[in-house]
Amino acid sequence: GEDVEQSLFLSVREGDSSVINCTYTDSSSTYLYWYKQEPGAGLQLLTYIFSNMDMKQDQRLTVLLNKKDKHLSLRIADTQTGDSAIYFCAKTSGGGADGLTFGKGTHLIIQP
Amino acid sequence: DAEITQSPRHKITETGRQVTLACHQTWNHNNMFWYRQDLGHGLRLIHYSYGVQDTNKGEVSDGYSVSRSNTEDLPLTLESAASSQTSVYFCASSPVQGGELFFGEGSRLTVL
Repeated sequence: GEDVEQSLFLSVREGDSSVINCTYTDSSSTYLYWYKQEPGAGLQLLTYIFSNMDMKQDQRLTVLLNKKDKHLSLRIADTQTGDSAIYFCAKTSGGGADGLTFGKGTHLIIQP
Repeated sequence: DAEITQSPRHKITETGRQVTLACHQTWNHNNMFWYRQDLGHGLRLIHYSYGVQDTNKGEVSDGYSVSRSNTEDLPLTLESAASSQTSVYFCASSPVQGGELFFGEGSRLTVL
């Protein structure tokens, strides 16, 4: 069954912060990833966090990892229209390194 | 620059026909993957390969097959296309197991 959960939609005003949340059931992943998919394109790696870290910051992006609650979040500061996309949380699949398991993706909608 | 390319980008076919989607990467990655993306399901793993002559079934492998005769290519074949296989298909590759995936631009397949 599904072991990576995300909300399907998030709507924010331009300039505000966006927080996209992800929960997972299997804590064996070494890395956890955030991918971004723009319309009509493939997925591109946005950022990642090593499983022994609590936080990672990269310019406007902040990733928070709560291993106890198996919760991962992506915060985008000063959200711009170019941030409009689908954001996927992903973790290493269980039982070996057979690809990544993805959440269903969160559509980030930017209101002017 | 190294890259991963998929072809065709768009295809319309009829139920029962055989269809092959091509995936070619120039990074010399050993690991290659095929996913399908559907609304409400996110990305689901179809097949994957860890190297030449190696193929493995993913979560939704029924009705699909792959072959790996060289490092660069992992073609995906639908032996007898069904309407349920209408989807967007993404090929990906990775230099290390469980690591970052690099995605192609996707192939949109419509089965009538």
